[in-house]
Amino acid sequence: GQNIDQPTEMTATEGAIVQINCTYQTSGFNGLFWYQQHAGEAPTFLSYNVLDGLEEKGRFSSFLSRSKGYSYLLLKELQMKDSASYLCAVTDSNYQLIWGAGTKLIIKP
Amino acid sequence: IAGITQAPTSQILAAGRRMTLRCTQDMRHNAMYWYRQDLGLGLRLIHYSNTAGTTGKGEVPDGYSVSRANTDDFPLTLASAVPSQTSVYFCASSKSGGQDEAFFGQGTRLTVV
Repeated sequence: GQNIDQPTEMTATEGAIVQINCTYQTSGFNGLFWYQQHAGEAPTFLSYNVLDGLEEKGRFSSFLSRSKGYSYLLLKELQMKDSASYLCAVTDSNYQLIWGAGTKLIIKP
Repeated sequence: IAGITQAPTSQILAAGRRMTLRCTQDMRHNAMYWYRQDLGLGLRLIHYSNTAGTTGKGEVPDGYSVSRANTDDFPLTLASAVPSQTSVYFCASSKSGGQDEAFFGQGTRLTVV
């Protein structure tokens, strides 16, 4: 079966750094996405990795290791508005997206 | 305004009734998707369409049907609603498929009673 694992919930402090991990076991791999979803809203795109390594985009970075079936999303200089759920999704061999259940990130002042 | 629009935003539906959730995009995207999102389960794919005129079944298609008569519209129909179909439904589109960023509608909160 296909499976994506993320922690259910994480807590961090405003101004700090947090790393959200995602491990996957899928039938094939054609890329990994991270989306942000604020409560009651739709998911919005954050990043896409298809090759190993780190992709940096402002305060957010995403890392991929295909050999380990592992990715992480790194958020720096946390702000209260970063309180949201972060969804990891993998494109499988049929080019379908497989979604993790999401990690709810709580930011405390 | 370019984007993807769903209607209605929320609905309370009696069990056994038929309901169509509407989805329209004006980005000329080829691929469109319907997901349901339930607490603790993440997004689950109901049906998808890679291009106008074609549709496919996702992970949880039972009780739902879709059509894709043109590029812009992708309605989702519940033929006879059941309480287990209570969920938040998201329509999404992407340029050509699973390697492109997906854009989501604002969601439809459906309660079947």
